[in-house]
Amino acid sequence: SAVISQKPSRDICQRGTSLTIQCQVDSQVTMMFWYRQQPGQSLTLIATANQGSEATYESGFVIDKFPISRPNLTFSTLTVSNMSPEDSSIYLCSVAEGTGSHQPQHFGDGTRLSIL
Amino acid sequence: AQSVTQLDSHVSVSEGTPVLLRCNYSSSYSPSLFWYVQHPNKGLQLLLKYTSAATLVKGINGFEAEFKKSETSFHLTKPSAHMSDAAEYFCGGTGGGNKLTFGTGTQLKVEL
Repeated sequence: SAVISQKPSRDICQRGTSLTIQCQVDSQVTMMFWYRQQPGQSLTLIATANQGSEATYESGFVIDKFPISRPNLTFSTLTVSNMSPEDSSIYLCSVAEGTGSHQPQHFGDGTRLSIL
Repeated sequence: AQSVTQLDSHVSVSEGTPVLLRCNYSSSYSPSLFWYVQHPNKGLQLLLKYTSAATLVKGINGFEAEFKKSETSFHLTKPSAHMSDAAEYFCGGTGGGNKLTFGTGTQLKVEL
């Protein structure tokens, strides 16, 4: 399966600032996803990152707060903008082996973000 | 719509005894179902997947799961727990699209 690298692995940020998280895959993939995992919670899909077009956001997530780039088939970034303590979470990127619903997703190790 | 319910938030077993982590699903479509494990400070690792082939699915590290359509269940089992199995386990599913919906997770504790 694909090897997924996320940077940074963790960060502590001041409220009102923004942080960009990078996700690099060692092979070309069609589908890339960004998730949020709040403390002690399950994973919630933020958006699907589409190569060459705008990301598709889930209900409750907006582009102004979580802008996403997908410049090519191996790389994506998620920016958490104007951060507040409520944004303290683990942010994970994942990739799907293919485009069918039966294809599993594989995850990076996540970015652990704390906002002071 | 696809939803996944994990019935236990915490499960505690003794090392060497069987593990059962329960997951129920609801879907308007024939679902694809997955079990993932998350160790501390790590991402999710795929344990196994059900994609409408064999109903008994074998995964890594001795885990397996059985898809039971009549019970809308996909429970995860392991015959003998090891200390290294202590982690958070997530059941997830897709129903007709790529969107993966997760259950709320089950924390597995393994005691000596």
